[in-house]
Amino acid sequence: DVKVTQSSRYLVKRTGEKVFLECVQDMDHENMFWYRQDPGLGLRLIYFSYDVKMKEKGDIPEGYSVSREKKERFSLILESASTNQTSMYLCASSLGHQGQPQHFGDGTRLSIL
Amino acid sequence: GQQLNQSPQSMFIQEGEDVSMNCTSSSIFNTWLWYKQDPGEGPVLLIALYKAGELTSNGRLTAQFGITRKDSFLNISASIPSDVGIYFCAGLASGTYKYIFGTGTRLKVLA
Repeated sequence: DVKVTQSSRYLVKRTGEKVFLECVQDMDHENMFWYRQDPGLGLRLIYFSYDVKMKEKGDIPEGYSVSREKKERFSLILESASTNQTSMYLCASSLGHQGQPQHFGDGTRLSIL
Repeated sequence: GQQLNQSPQSMFIQEGEDVSMNCTSSSIFNTWLWYKQDPGEGPVLLIALYKAGELTSNGRLTAQFGITRKDSFLNISASIPSDVGIYFCAGLASGTYKYIFGTGTRLKVLA
């Protein structure tokens, strides 16, 4: 079974803090993704990566950055957290072939006070 | 970003009833996925569909890839209380890694 592990289930941070969300997958997947999920808005893609050190912006990259130094790890960074970044963050991974399904972690519920 | 139209938005059904939900898109997709998300958890893949007209089952769940390649259907037979959750569809167009997700169908089962 594919295992996608997000480092924290719940996280509370303060406005202006730099926040790191970590995601690790154990299936040697080429592609990794970060989404945020908000009521009524569904899943929105923030960033994705199709290889080590490669990244592409998704639909809502503003206020976020990412890092992929190793194939198994994809980090989402909130440079200066704001209250409108309070959300559920989901990491996913997939094999590199086109059409492969994405497998999700359990999510990190982030609250910015 | 683009989203799929998923219906119904929510359903309340009696235990034992069958359930149907669907997703439609203005774009043609090569892959359709169906996920279930329990409260406080991440989405779990239920069924993947790769060919127009394909019908695939996973236990009490059956999903179909529409002939037009612009829609997909998920049926749950003889619902049980643990079927409660949010069901998402996702579609993938040719030449991209970016899935487009539906807004979800929230299912509640009354015992």
